[in-house]
Amino acid sequence: EDQVTQSPEALRLQEGESSSLNCSYTVSGLRGLFWYRQDPGKGPEFLFTLYSAGEEKEKERLKATLTKKESFLHITAPKPEDSATYLCAVHSVQGAQKLVFGQGTRLTINP
Amino acid sequence: SQTIHQWPATLVQPVGSPLSLECTVEGTSNPNLYWYRQAAGRGLQLLFYSVGIGQISSEVPQNLSASRPQDRQFILSSKKLLLSDSGFYLCACQGFLEETQYFGPGTRLLVL
Repeated sequence: EDQVTQSPEALRLQEGESSSLNCSYTVSGLRGLFWYRQDPGKGPEFLFTLYSAGEEKEKERLKATLTKKESFLHITAPKPEDSATYLCAVHSVQGAQKLVFGQGTRLTINP
Repeated sequence: SQTIHQWPATLVQPVGSPLSLECTVEGTSNPNLYWYRQAAGRGLQLLFYSVGIGQISSEVPQNLSASRPQDRQFILSSKKLLLSDSGFYLCACQGFLEETQYFGPGTRLLVL
């Protein structure tokens, strides 16, 4: 069974304090790993898709990386507007058309 | 690019009442459509998905049902709501031959 575990559950940082969020996964064969950002009361917003180990993608202060067992979302010099819940999901070879989501990391950036 | 509409945005219903949530998609054809539920502070639970008109796959046994009467319309229903049906319901769309799912704004349902 495909599984995704995100850590930590919650993270509080000061503005400008860089850190990383972790997404560990177990799948039968990875077709893609997805990162989303979700603001309170809203639907998740797509950030990145990673397909193979060693791949990296960047968007503003965010950089996502992928290994064979986990993905990291690095946040460099975060700002208060980066506060949100970050969700990780995997699409496996045997998962048909479905994504399996982690529980998310709730990130708070204090000014 | 695709746009996903959900309504209503918020709904308060008594226990035992029926439910109908609607999701419509613009900007894509023959998409895969999904219904998720998100409990407060938790991850997304896949409820139903559809790869075409009239084709529904159910992921969890419950008192909810889904239908897809048109290519870009997905409906979530219940005949009698339970307290445990409260939550944030999200519709998602994955374009034909695409990998990424995009989400609608969600419907917050409170069953009292």
